[in-house]
Amino acid sequence: DTGVSQDPRHKITKRGQNVTFRCDPISEHNRLYWYRQTLGQGPEFLTYFQNEAQLEKSRLLSDRFSAERPKGSFSTLEIQRTEQGDSAMYLCASSSRSNQPQHFGDGTRLSIL
Amino acid sequence: AQKVTQAQTEISVVEKEDVTLDCVYETRDTTYYLFWYKQPPSGELVFLIRRNSFDEQNEISGRYSWNFQKSTSSFNFTITASQVVDSAVYFCALSYILTGGGNKLTFGTGTQLKVEL
Repeated sequence: DTGVSQDPRHKITKRGQNVTFRCDPISEHNRLYWYRQTLGQGPEFLTYFQNEAQLEKSRLLSDRFSAERPKGSFSTLEIQRTEQGDSAMYLCASSSRSNQPQHFGDGTRLSIL
Repeated sequence: AQKVTQAQTEISVVEKEDVTLDCVYETRDTTYYLFWYKQPPSGELVFLIRRNSFDEQNEISGRYSWNFQKSTSSFNFTITASQVVDSAVYFCALSYILTGGGNKLTFGTGTQLKVEL
């Protein structure tokens, strides 16, 4: 059973650049979540997919952020025109059914220069 | 609005001591789930336990046990005979049902547990 996979593990970019992260959930999981975690804080919910449909977005997800899950399998999270405040760990999680435990990937750590 | 409070920022214990991590939550939902996750230095969040709001029976699983008290909105987690490998940040989380049946987790700020020899 392979777990949730995220790529890249680390991303360093200059302010104003666009970045894209990828998440591959556990294969039989139809629910996929993105969270953001800053230093010393717990993860904060960003968005949720059931299969290919994006059903919920947090108000934390500004219009510079976009997430997709085109075929209901892997997902991408893109941040356009990155800002210093976007520096964080971006976590992806997946689950099989409602209220089943979410299984998290190792995360992508984004650093904005 | 949902809220999870973990008042203990950091706890240090000596190996083999028992340690309890506190969690207090707020929700208006009558049905909800509570979770504990562990985040070791490597960064991955590891699921530990889940409890639903209808089941207040406290359980023990190996060295882990939990005390869920709905009357005080608390969901405390105990590690018995702590080990150095237990050193990590521990997060308590409360679920909220989303459209389509997903669940959004609201996390506390975490408790850093350090177990020393």
